[in-house]
Amino acid sequence: AQTVTQSQPEMSVQEAETVTLSCTYDTSESDYYLFWYKQPPSRQMILVIRQEAYKQQNATENRFSVNFQKAAKSFSLKISDSQLGDAAMYFCAYRSAMGGNQFYFGTGTSLTVIP
Amino acid sequence: DSGVTQTPKHLITATGQRVTLRCSPRSGDLSVYWYQQSLDQGLQFLIQYYNGEERAKGNILERFSAQQFPDLHSELNLSSLELGDSALYFCASSAPRLADEQFFGPGTRLTVL
Repeated sequence: AQTVTQSQPEMSVQEAETVTLSCTYDTSESDYYLFWYKQPPSRQMILVIRQEAYKQQNATENRFSVNFQKAAKSFSLKISDSQLGDAAMYFCAYRSAMGGNQFYFGTGTSLTVIP
Repeated sequence: DSGVTQTPKHLITATGQRVTLRCSPRSGDLSVYWYQQSLDQGLQFLIQYYNGEERAKGNILERFSAQQFPDLHSELNLSSLELGDSALYFCASSAPRLADEQFFGPGTRLTVL
């Protein structure tokens, strides 16, 4: 089974600064999708960004961008111009193309934004 | 609003009891996933159904069971409840396309006293 690792249980960033959250995964597949989800204090899971494994270009959504390194099996999330509303738990997820399209989630990184 | 609905939002019960959590996926989504999230913990995958059939099983206890009905709604049954079963239970659905993410419901907060 695929594994997703988030090695930073907690991170903090000053408001308006940039922070990068790390995610690595283990797979033998060549075709898959990667996602970052945000879980604010409301506990609702919200999709932040997705990346197709076959695309070399890194995905970007406004202040959120990823650094996808397929060979290194790394998928980090960069948050620019951090805002107080960015404070949340962030989960990295991998969607397999095999075995029923199962999703695999990391353990999460809790992000604190300091005013 | 993700389009995934879960009922009830909150559930308080006693040890040893049995409860049923209900989930309705987004219109058109055939896959339903159940997750357990204990306080300040990550998501623990429990089970996945696809069009009525069990597709994948995670760390689901034998006291827990689930099913997906012909109308695609799903129920998660938790029996012989223990204090440690207190958690937020999420249901998510997804379309078959690989590009599609999971859409999560708001969760059911279960408290076992």
